[in-house]
Amino acid sequence: SAVISQKPSRDICQRGTSLTIQCQVDSQVTMMFWYRQQPGQSLTLIATANQGSEATYESGFVIDKFPISRPNLTFSTLTVSNMSPEDSSIYLCSVDSGENTGELFFGEGSRLTVL
Amino acid sequence: AQKITQTQPGMFVQEKEAVTLDCTYDTSDPSYGLFWYKQPSSGEMIFLIYQGSYDQQNATEGRYSLNFQKARKSANLVISASQLGDSAMYFCAMREGPNTGNQFYFGTGTSLTVIP
Repeated sequence: SAVISQKPSRDICQRGTSLTIQCQVDSQVTMMFWYRQQPGQSLTLIATANQGSEATYESGFVIDKFPISRPNLTFSTLTVSNMSPEDSSIYLCSVDSGENTGELFFGEGSRLTVL
Repeated sequence: AQKITQTQPGMFVQEKEAVTLDCTYDTSDPSYGLFWYKQPSSGEMIFLIYQGSYDQQNATEGRYSLNFQKARKSANLVISASQLGDSAMYFCAMREGPNTGNQFYFGTGTSLTVIP
């Protein structure tokens, strides 16, 4: 199974600032997924990041707010821009297992609190 | 309509007892996968068990088993011999279609508390 490392694990941010979350995978993967989990809620897919192309964003998420980079097959970043308290969430990076079962493996998550 | 429905916001179970967490799903695709994840308070999502739509037998992984009732579109998670470390949020999820790159749909989760 893939080992996924996310940084930072948690942070407290001021309104109006931006924060970049890093996701490192110990093996090469085609697609990386970024999820948001607002307090007490389920997971919502923000975007799918493919190496060498623009990320594909889900409805309700835009590149200006959540720019994503995918410079190689083992690394991706998600930036949360111009943060507001509503952006306080756990942000999770995930990858497909590559198995026939297709489960997702997740990083430890980045817990952001915006004041 | 919700793709995944978990109707139990919170559940309690006595240590060493078994507990069933409910999950129903909605899809018209004949090929799909069902998954359960555990999320401790630390936040990471831990994959527990998988059931494919064409699987004839219920999936089992150690103390976890999935009670798959296809006609009723339910995929309940059974945890046997509960341990204090089982206290966490549990999410049911579905992936439609045969391709592993397809989107996952997650339920709203069930908070399980194991009582000593």
